[in-house]
Amino acid sequence: AQSVTQLDSQVPVFEEAPVELRCNYSSSVSVYLFWYVQYPNQGLQLLLKYLSGSTLVESINGFEAEFNKSQTSFHLRKPSVHISDTAEYFCAVSDGGYQKVTFGTGTKLQVIP
Amino acid sequence: NAGVTQTPKFQVLKTGQSMTLQCAQDMNHNSMYWYRQDPGMGLRLIYYSASEGTTDKGEVPNGYNVSRLNKREFSLRLESAAPSQTSVYFCASSEGAAGRHEQYFGPGTRLTVT
Repeated sequence: AQSVTQLDSQVPVFEEAPVELRCNYSSSVSVYLFWYVQYPNQGLQLLLKYLSGSTLVESINGFEAEFNKSQTSFHLRKPSVHISDTAEYFCAVSDGGYQKVTFGTGTKLQVIP
Repeated sequence: NAGVTQTPKFQVLKTGQSMTLQCAQDMNHNSMYWYRQDPGMGLRLIYYSASEGTTDKGEVPNGYNVSRLNKREFSLRLESAAPSQTSVYFCASSEGAAGRHEQYFGPGTRLTVT
């Protein structure tokens, strides 16, 4: 069985400060990892994903995440946040199949002006 | 290009009533999914359709049925609504297996069962 843990339910951070949203997973097979973002009253959107290759993956809006197999982590980072980054962020793990995408419980990022 | 659309946006039902949530995608995706989102629980898969003509149960299928009407449309039916089905429902689609491909989500349906 696979699982995802997002320990922080809410993370407040001042604008232009760095942020790290933590994600740890457990799986008995090879994993594929995702970060999705949900803006208020909208559906989820893919932020970035790790399928194979380089362990550091980046999004077009400045977020990055590093796959760490030994730590079973896929933390999301941004060096300088903007007000528009206020949203809920979901980490997800998969075995590559159709139904085995397990989502974490989400972390609400609140950017303070 | 509308992406994934869902109707209705909001619905209030009484216990025992039935309803169908509609979902359509215009991206020619093979796979479609229904999730429910509850506070503090993330998203849980109800049913999915890997391709036109097939449907399979997800993590929490009890109390729901689905129909893959054609490649574009995937509906979710609640035959006899219960308060435990109060939730936000999301439809999603992907080119292939959700485990490897980006899922595109609709805006959601907020359902309250009283």
